[in-house]
Amino acid sequence: ETGVTQTPRHLVMGMTNKKSLKCEQHLGHNAMYWYKQSAKKPLELMFVYNFKEQTENNSVPSRFSPECPNSSHLFLHLHTLQPEDSALYLCASSPDRDRGESPLHFGNGTRLTVT
Amino acid sequence: AQSVTQLGSHVSVSEGALVLLRCNYSSSVPPYLFWYVQYPNQGLQLLLKYTSAATLVKGINGFEAEFKKSETSFHLTKPSAHMSDAAEYFCAVSEGFQKLVFGTGTRLLVSP
Repeated sequence: ETGVTQTPRHLVMGMTNKKSLKCEQHLGHNAMYWYKQSAKKPLELMFVYNFKEQTENNSVPSRFSPECPNSSHLFLHLHTLQPEDSALYLCASSPDRDRGESPLHFGNGTRLTVT
Repeated sequence: AQSVTQLGSHVSVSEGALVLLRCNYSSSVPPYLFWYVQYPNQGLQLLLKYTSAATLVKGINGFEAEFKKSETSFHLTKPSAHMSDAAEYFCAVSEGFQKLVFGTGTRLLVSP
């Protein structure tokens, strides 16, 4: 039990589909993050929410749309994706975005394949 | 801006041998440094962190790392490798507010 749960674990979608990734944390944290992990590349920070407010959008294409209805839940809405968007999408949480000494807690990720 | 360099995308050791995974960082202010481990089909799990207290940091599973400011290094070591240590290891640096920068990772292979 990681404390951060991501669903689904695997997702295959066509380029015209619309799908959503879900993340839920049970740690009482106030900051939540989306990362993209592609083969042979460093982890890429996509979005940061702190106390439900989006504080960072790391130049992510608009076909990725995050939503954070409360501090425990984070969604990533996907539409008209490209094959190069296939990757492992990791959700993470931490007590507060501004506390750099606090480590991130990661979920197990959603393996996304775009066909 | 901070950055992290992990030397060697793959490191191979025999079971029982010393594990040494290298991490060098660049930071304009005293950094926070982290090592994470990722097992297949899982997310990243914190191994240990440096937050300016002791320079030698002990983590889970027998791993430790030493912060050396003069060398801007934070290498990860374990005296004796176990088969279960086979995984990918990521070094990360933070400069205050939580914007972690990760290295490209080092895959540790352990042979019997």
